Amino acid sequence: QSALTQPASVSGSPGQSITISCTGTSSDVGTYNLVSWYQQHPGKAPKLMIYDVTKRPSGVSHRFSGSKSGNTASLTISGLQAEDEAGYYCSSYAGSSTLLFGGGTKLTVL
Amino acid sequence: EVQLVESGGVVVQPGGSLRLSCAASGFTFNDSTMHWVRQAPGKGLQWVSLITWNGAGTHYADSLSGRFTISRDNTKNSLYLQMNSLRTEDTALYSCAKGDYSLDFWGQGTLVTVSS
Repeated sequence: QSALTQPASVSGSPGQSITISCTGTSSDVGTYNLVSWYQQHPGKAPKLMIYDVTKRPSGVSHRFSGSKSGNTASLTISGLQAEDEAGYYCSSYAGSSTLLFGGGTKLTVL
Repeated sequence: EVQLVESGGVVVQPGGSLRLSCAASGFTFNDSTMHWVRQAPGKGLQWVSLITWNGAGTHYADSLSGRFTISRDNTKNSLYLQMNSLRTEDTALYSCAKGDYSLDFWGQGTLVTVSS
């Protein structure tokens, strides 16, 4: 089981949109619509932002959206705000009741 | 209010054992799948293990080589992780989390340091 692949860092200016990719394989992202995205501020617990590829938990801003194509899932944040600066992690169900996480992406709001 | 509070993290020597606990409140613990996830200092998240609501199903990351055992006590609203044959690479913040295949609430974690 190898970790899902995410870019180490992305950046954007306030008001812009950014997309973070999460690449897996046909054994995980490509087969199951069970991709989640988590936001983690330094020293804090991760927060669920997207689940089941596209769904937002109650209370999560509509500026966050998820999608998937083939073996790659994506998180898009529109209308970037300073408080969006954080680490972002994807995860996917990988079969046999196991989960995989991505390596994480640091988002910098310029 | 949902709360998950981990405890048990200490400094332990390589080859040693440790049992972590996670006290849950504010939700129906005995209906919930629970997970352990770890994060090495300055590194990303790594899924460790999950246990089904009744404890009948337990699953682990392949990399653990059978050294860890997850369990729960629904009468005490508590989750556990027994860790044996600890290695320096097991040094991490260990967090418990609830959810099926998306983890909708996480604890703050307990730090395990494996060092001689």
